[in-house]
Amino acid sequence: KNEVEQSPQNLTAQEGEFITINCSYSVGISALHWLQQHPGGGIVSLFMLSSGKKKHGRLIATINIQEKHSSLHITASHPRDSAVYICAVRSGGATNKLIFGTGTLLAVQP
Amino acid sequence: NAGVMQNPRHLVRRRGQEARLRCSPMKGHSHVYWYRQLPEEGLKFMVYLQKENIIDESGMPKERFSAEFPKEGPSILRIQQVVRGDSAAYFCASSFAQGNFQETQYFGPGTRLLVL
Repeated sequence: KNEVEQSPQNLTAQEGEFITINCSYSVGISALHWLQQHPGGGIVSLFMLSSGKKKHGRLIATINIQEKHSSLHITASHPRDSAVYICAVRSGGATNKLIFGTGTLLAVQP
Repeated sequence: NAGVMQNPRHLVRRRGQEARLRCSPMKGHSHVYWYRQLPEEGLKFMVYLQKENIIDESGMPKERFSAEFPKEGPSILRIQQVVRGDSAAYFCASSFAQGNFQETQYFGPGTRLLVL
């Protein structure tokens, strides 16, 4: 079983829909990241969370440390939101390496 | 303020050759991470370096792979005697850290390595 699990693996939505991507993890963490990757493209860091909730534009990320769960929400989705969204947790201790989920491929259709 | 720079962006090598991937962290960042993304797979941690030190290399293959982050210049990921299975996207990330505080990691555009 992966240490970081994402769901769904694939998601197709109509423009304007509210989207939720979920991430569950089984290890102790110091922070959780949400990343965005366009096909063949680079990786953009959207959020880094250690507690609570963060909002940036149409994106909202929440984390529940007790339940080891995080969600990424996209409001009023747009075709340009189409990308792979990756959850990654940062382990604690001396190393700051990220452990990645397998990603959620989002396609927003006009 | 330039972001994380990686070069080359694309690299083609024949089996048995050496591949050198470079990463220049963001200005002021002294921590560098290398990650690999194999085709149709997720990202995997390889190595974490600070200036002149390897902090964690638990994700590095035991043979043919090495990494350095010298006092001056970029971080280098070196793959000797490449094989087809090394074909992947290699991403570098950098962060600022002071004491126990860790800032987010900023990713470079990646180097796509193709081994023929």
